[in-house]
Amino acid sequence: GENVEQHPSTLSVQEGDSAVIKCTYSDSASNYFPWYKQELGKRPQLIIDIRSNVGEKKDQRIAVTLNKTAKHFSLHITETQPEDSAVYFCAASCFGNDMRFGAGTRLTVKP
Amino acid sequence: DVKVTQSSRYLVKRTGEKVFLECVQDMDHENMFWYRQDPGLGLRLIYFSYDVKMKEKGDIPEGYSVSREKKERFSLILESASTNQTSMYLCASSTGGANTEAFFGQGTRLTVV
Repeated sequence: GENVEQHPSTLSVQEGDSAVIKCTYSDSASNYFPWYKQELGKRPQLIIDIRSNVGEKKDQRIAVTLNKTAKHFSLHITETQPEDSAVYFCAASCFGNDMRFGAGTRLTVKP
Repeated sequence: DVKVTQSSRYLVKRTGEKVFLECVQDMDHENMFWYRQDPGLGLRLIYFSYDVKMKEKGDIPEGYSVSREKKERFSLILESASTNQTSMYLCASSTGGANTEAFFGQGTRLTVV
């Protein structure tokens, strides 16, 4: 099955700085790559996703890039704010059916 | 809003007990998933289901089974609970097909003593 690796496991940035989280996947058949944010004590929620026919997608301060050849994708958060502090998970799946997640990145944004 | 509801927020069970974790979704989703969340290990897929009475093993199915008798309900069963199954369990559902968002339940924190 699919194997997703995520780095770093923890990330601390100053408010206003950018944060980058990287993931690699193993199954070349994977075509859907979502990112989830999990705040303390809450359920994971989708923040952005990208499909295999797109190289980059942006939504306000959040962007995701995908390199299919290298099998890696990244989450970029610009102008970070304290409310961005959370655990972020990347995932990969083939048509959304058997979604595998990375181990998570705990992002801390210091005021 | 999509609702994925897990029957219990917290559970404490004894070693050797048979444990049922229930998950219900109200959006007619085809796919349902059970994950286990442990610190440093992320969300690990236990089982998933494409349709009623269909089930597929994920990455860590040992010690677990599932049941999906109705489209809206997906149950995770611990046949004989052990202390190493103490964890947070998350259920999720999605519409299936191409590239769809998974919606999560609130989680069940299971402690096996």
